[in-house]
Amino acid sequence: DAGITQSPRYKITETGRQVTLMCHQTWSHSYMFWYRQDLGHGLRLIYYSAAADITDKGEVPDGYVVSRSKTENFPLTLESATRSQTSVYFCASRYKTGDEQYFGPGTRLTVT
Amino acid sequence: KQEVTQIPAALSVPEGENLVLNCSFTDSAIYNLQWFRQDPGKGLTSLLLIQSSQREQTSGRLNASLDKSSGRSTLYIAASQPGDSATYLCAVRVEGGADGLTFGKGTHLIIQP
Repeated sequence: DAGITQSPRYKITETGRQVTLMCHQTWSHSYMFWYRQDLGHGLRLIYYSAAADITDKGEVPDGYVVSRSKTENFPLTLESATRSQTSVYFCASRYKTGDEQYFGPGTRLTVT
Repeated sequence: KQEVTQIPAALSVPEGENLVLNCSFTDSAIYNLQWFRQDPGKGLTSLLLIQSSQREQTSGRLNASLDKSSGRSTLYIAASQPGDSATYLCAVRVEGGADGLTFGKGTHLIIQP
């Protein structure tokens, strides 16, 4: 039972570069989420998806793009990375409304 | 906008003590509330989920209560152990608006051996 996996676990990139963070879940959960965790702000929702091909914005979506062509994958793309996007990114999933969310191990992204 | 506050921000107690972590939220229109544990450099581990219609949930030495009308939840940890040392996060799922959870900033707990 692999659960949720994220790759890469660590990434260093330069300002202006495009970078994609991958998220894969093996549970066939309908809902998937991306959060970022920053000191002083806690965890904040970036984007979420209720099913394949259905995505919507969270609290802090600017500068990010998501897609969900398959139920099990939910990649997050930073189109032109900025230093303010240096953070730890967590992917999460949930089976259905009312259920608990399960989190991946996180990706630590540094933008130089 | 929903705001979640956790008090205290940090807590250090001797092993064996019972302790209570507090969580408050400003908007009582929630679906549920979830408590997580986060170890340094790790992801979040779900501890307990309380639906808005429930008053409490228990798992082993953990007991979480919910008073939706007053916007409060508590996490009670019985007979604390050094392995309980971690950051504990409270999060609510708000009715309406964006799906996903709104998190508090956590309580950093240290259990002294």
